[in-house]
Amino acid sequence: KNEVEQSPQNLTAQEGEFITINCSYSVGISALHWLQQHPGGGIVSLFMLSSGKKKHGRLIATINIQEKHSSLHITASHPRDSAVYICAVLPTSGTYKYIFGTGTRLKVLA
Amino acid sequence: DGGITQSPKYLFRKEGQNVTLSCEQNLNHDAMYWYRQDPGQGLRLIYYSQIVNDFQKGDIAEGYSVSREKKESFPLTVTSAQKNPTAFYLCASSSRTGYAGELFFGEGSRLTVL
Repeated sequence: KNEVEQSPQNLTAQEGEFITINCSYSVGISALHWLQQHPGGGIVSLFMLSSGKKKHGRLIATINIQEKHSSLHITASHPRDSAVYICAVLPTSGTYKYIFGTGTRLKVLA
Repeated sequence: DGGITQSPKYLFRKEGQNVTLSCEQNLNHDAMYWYRQDPGQGLRLIYYSQIVNDFQKGDIAEGYSVSREKKESFPLTVTSAQKNPTAFYLCASSSRTGYAGELFFGEGSRLTVL
């Protein structure tokens, strides 16, 4: 079992829909990142969370440390949101190695 | 603007050749990382470095080598010992070694072995 699990693996939505991507992890962490990877490869960090909730434009990220769970929400989705979304955690185990989920592939149709 | 620059973006290699992928950052970050990404798989760590002149093996270091002679630079050499080198390679850096810092990625280098 992977230490970081994402769901769903693939998601197709209509433009304007509210989207939720989930990330569950099994280790203690000091931080969790939500990353976005567009076709062509480059990765951008959308959020870094250690507690609570963050919002940036139409994107909202939440984390529940006790339940070891985080969600990424996209409101009023748009075709340009089509990308792979990756959850990454930094364990508190003393190493400097991030652990990555396998990603959620999102396609938003016009 | 600050960021990470990887080069080349595309690289073709014949079997038996070593190739070096460049990674340069002007973010003044201490920690730098090399990851490999294969279709349908998560990012896998090849090597990471926390400070200049020091680096650690990641989960899939065999067939790869790195150096960290300058804070800004962390080149990766894919040697002929790497049995299946065709992949997408990503370099990253982090602002605070071992703590919850920002994580930045380069645009990636796609290596194809002919």
